[in-house]
Amino acid sequence: ETGVTQTPRHLVMGMTNKKSLKCEQHLGHNAMYWYKQSAKKPLELMFVYNFKEQTENNSVPSRFSPECPNSSHLFLHLHTLQPEDSALYLCASKLAGGSYNEQFFGPGTRLTVL
Amino acid sequence: SQQGEEDPQALSIQEGENATMNCSYKTSINNLQWYRQNSGRGLVHLILIRSNEREKHSGRLRVTLDTSKKSSSLLITASRAADTASYFCATWVEGNQFYFGTGTSLTVIP
Repeated sequence: ETGVTQTPRHLVMGMTNKKSLKCEQHLGHNAMYWYKQSAKKPLELMFVYNFKEQTENNSVPSRFSPECPNSSHLFLHLHTLQPEDSALYLCASKLAGGSYNEQFFGPGTRLTVL
Repeated sequence: SQQGEEDPQALSIQEGENATMNCSYKTSINNLQWYRQNSGRGLVHLILIRSNEREKHSGRLRVTLDTSKKSSSLLITASRAADTASYFCATWVEGNQFYFGTGTSLTVIP
């Protein structure tokens, strides 16, 4: 275990549903990330939070809405998703401000949109 | 794009053999990191090499970096079945984010 947990581990939802993914870390990190991993594609960075402030939004559609209430928790709110949004969603954390710090990843949420 | 690209995309070897995978990237970097991902799981950090380093070792892992060619290689010696996983390189350029490649899928046959 890396110290980063994600729930749920698997999620199946319809295109009209609203759901949320949760990420939690108690490693004392202050930067948190959401990635999308689709088959045969590079890991896509979606959002970056530093000290609870969003610093990156890589042109992610508005049907994905992140929330970072504190340095330990990160959410990804989902609504009116499309089938092409089916993927493994990974959360990661690290100490901010240091390019030599490694990222710690959670196990991911496998999302299937019907 | 500043993404790294791993080569080969897939590699299958016998247990005990060495596995070599390569990563190429496009712009100047501060450091390059290698991660491993077991099927359907999160990524796990393996090793980091700084831009002023040429080679680094960690157990059965050896990483090289050639900044003039913008490339890195990961060598796993005396492979084991448990090494079966996908391997990704990640480059750190600016800001607070990494850029990952598409990965090399390694299968070690017992």
